[in-house]
Amino acid sequence: DQQVKQNSPSLSVQEGRISILNCDYTNSMFDYFLWYKKYPAEGPTFLISISSIKDKNEDGRFTVFLNKSAKHLSLHIVPSQPGDSAVYFCAACTGNYKLTFGKGTLLTVNP
Amino acid sequence: EPEVTQTPSHQVTQMGQEVILRCVPISNHLYFYWYRQILGQKVEFLVSFYNNEISEKSEIFDDQFSVERPDGSNFTLKIRSTKLEDSAMYFCASSTRQGDSPLHFGNGTRLTVT
Repeated sequence: DQQVKQNSPSLSVQEGRISILNCDYTNSMFDYFLWYKKYPAEGPTFLISISSIKDKNEDGRFTVFLNKSAKHLSLHIVPSQPGDSAVYFCAACTGNYKLTFGKGTLLTVNP
Repeated sequence: EPEVTQTPSHQVTQMGQEVILRCVPISNHLYFYWYRQILGQKVEFLVSFYNNEISEKSEIFDDQFSVERPDGSNFTLKIRSTKLEDSAMYFCASSTRQGDSPLHFGNGTRLTVT
């Protein structure tokens, strides 16, 4: 069951540059999308979300873009910092808060 | 900032034994969840709980699993007779479910079944 896909298992960027993490979904019923960050030995930490009625949501260095026609969302982090190094999970739900997660992308930000 | 807390952080048990994983959700949250992540795999939904009853459960959540909110603060997941394949990180989460409120996760309990 691959309703939420993160096709890049890892991404490496230089400090100060933009990090772009991608996520695709197949279930057109999803109406709420979230990004979580996870450090080792910790639980997922909520970063940013977007409702399906929007195409962009911004919070500081983090921006999430949603392209409903392509069933694609992306997380932009700019500028990237070494402390952003973590696993990033894309998640989606239909409003019942039963989250379906992607497999995650390991982001490494090099100083 | 309020946190979801889970205990223990690591539980080792023998196959066939019962385990109880404990969670203290954020105090003003009304919706509670258990998720799990088997090593190398996705975080998977197990069950959601509201108003003292299960609101939704996944196929994984079979008769060996149960949840309970025994008092006003704790939320527990019980596995009656553990199997090797139950070894995973178990995450508790809670939310207010008001507006766009996200789920807040605990740091997880690593369950190892030997």
